[in-house]
Amino acid sequence: QLHLQESGPGLVKPSQTLSLTCTVSGGSISSGYNSWTWIRQPAGKGLEWVGHIFTSGNTNSNPSLKTRVTFSVDTSKNQFSLRLSSVTAADTAVYYCARGNSGYDYWGQGTLVTVSS
Amino acid sequence: DIVMTQSPDSLAVSLGARATISCKSSQSVVFSSNKKNYLAWYQQKPGQPPKRLISWASTRESGVPDRFSGSGSGTDFTLTISSLQAEDVAVYYCQQYYDTPTFGQGTKVEIK
Repeated sequence: QLHLQESGPGLVKPSQTLSLTCTVSGGSISSGYNSWTWIRQPAGKGLEWVGHIFTSGNTNSNPSLKTRVTFSVDTSKNQFSLRLSSVTAADTAVYYCARGNSGYDYWGQGTLVTVSS
Repeated sequence: DIVMTQSPDSLAVSLGARATISCKSSQSVVFSSNKKNYLAWYQQKPGQPPKRLISWASTRESGVPDRFSGSGSGTDFTLTISSLQAEDVAVYYCQQYYDTPTFGQGTKVEIK
């Protein structure tokens, strides 16, 4: 049974960079051919796919965020990460990490990131 | 992007009654080589991450009660809760994984 846990600052200043890490336990991030994904949800709103990375290093991201987002993966630590630059209040949301496998079968509990000065 | 549109946005159903949620995609999510529908359904309760109920439009996850069922193909899909229970109060989302993933806007299910 996989367990995913997000970590990172809960408060980021406008124009700065949001950085989050997802730590995977209970299995290897390198097994299978799954995408390792970030999804966000503003308070009271729906789900927005941010993007994903494969352990090969291939990535894809939401076109609306493409110029600001980068992903990385560290298989030795069983972690993958998200960096979102030049944040504004519109980036305030609960950020989830998830495993892509015919949709998303494992999710972290989510971490609230607030963009505010 | 493939746009996913759910209806209704919310519905109130009596305990034991049927709840039906529609999801329409702006283009087909059937992959021609395997004839599979790249469509999943999720349930999200307050303060929790979404939980996948169904993948491939109609394949129920292990442990999901059989009162939940998914149907449809191409661009039109339905999630049915055959006999609504109190614990089914939640927001339900459809999601396509045929292309760059996109979610429907969600349907809130409440008890009447």
